[in-house]
Amino acid sequence: GAGVSQSPSNKVTEKGKDVELRCDPISGHTALYWYRQRLGQGLEFLIYFQGNSAPDKSGLPSDRFSAERTGESVSTLTIQRTQQEDSAVYLCASSLRQGSYEQYFGPGTRLTVT
Amino acid sequence: DAKTTQPPSMDCAEGRAANLPCNHSTISGNEYVYWYRQIHSQGPQYIIHGLKNNETNEMASLIITEDRKSSTLILPHATLRDTAVYYCIVRPRGSNFGNEKLTFGTGTRLTIIP
Repeated sequence: GAGVSQSPSNKVTEKGKDVELRCDPISGHTALYWYRQRLGQGLEFLIYFQGNSAPDKSGLPSDRFSAERTGESVSTLTIQRTQQEDSAVYLCASSLRQGSYEQYFGPGTRLTVT
Repeated sequence: DAKTTQPPSMDCAEGRAANLPCNHSTISGNEYVYWYRQIHSQGPQYIIHGLKNNETNEMASLIITEDRKSSTLILPHATLRDTAVYYCIVRPRGSNFGNEKLTFGTGTRLTIIP
């Protein structure tokens, strides 16, 4: 079946611009996660959704970052006033439900801030 | 999450079985062993998980010692496409733990040699 999809696959933006990253989880998966991976580094947790609610936003690095999920499906991660340190691959994952079940990852969006 | 220890790198000849060890001597009774891998420039990929019995799926086998303090992931017939960083993670499974985010260690960089 279809896996997790993300768009765009690559995004180059100028410092100070806003960007929106999209994630389409596996159909029927109620839990959705956003992570960030800087070049050569490990995954950083950003936020997770159960349904349309976000019980844990603890990983969002600043108030420039926000995310929403609608229809218990698509999620968007918005970064306002992008900075060069925001350059990274942004990964989305979904799982059948919350509670430490296996997570299935999308291919990621590579964001480059110039 | 319990700490895991993996060798930083391993080589394996194409067509041979790749055996990747993981030590998790402080694992708790309710914690499962999960394996993920990350192929270069891709998102992490779930491979397999287990509690105490050996497990097998279409990708790999997981052998967990009787005392559960270590495990081995086995790729039975390694191909060049199996070159990746492999992560062993231990964490509870279920809806009552509130531990949603995945924390990847440094993993084992497996290189399949032609």
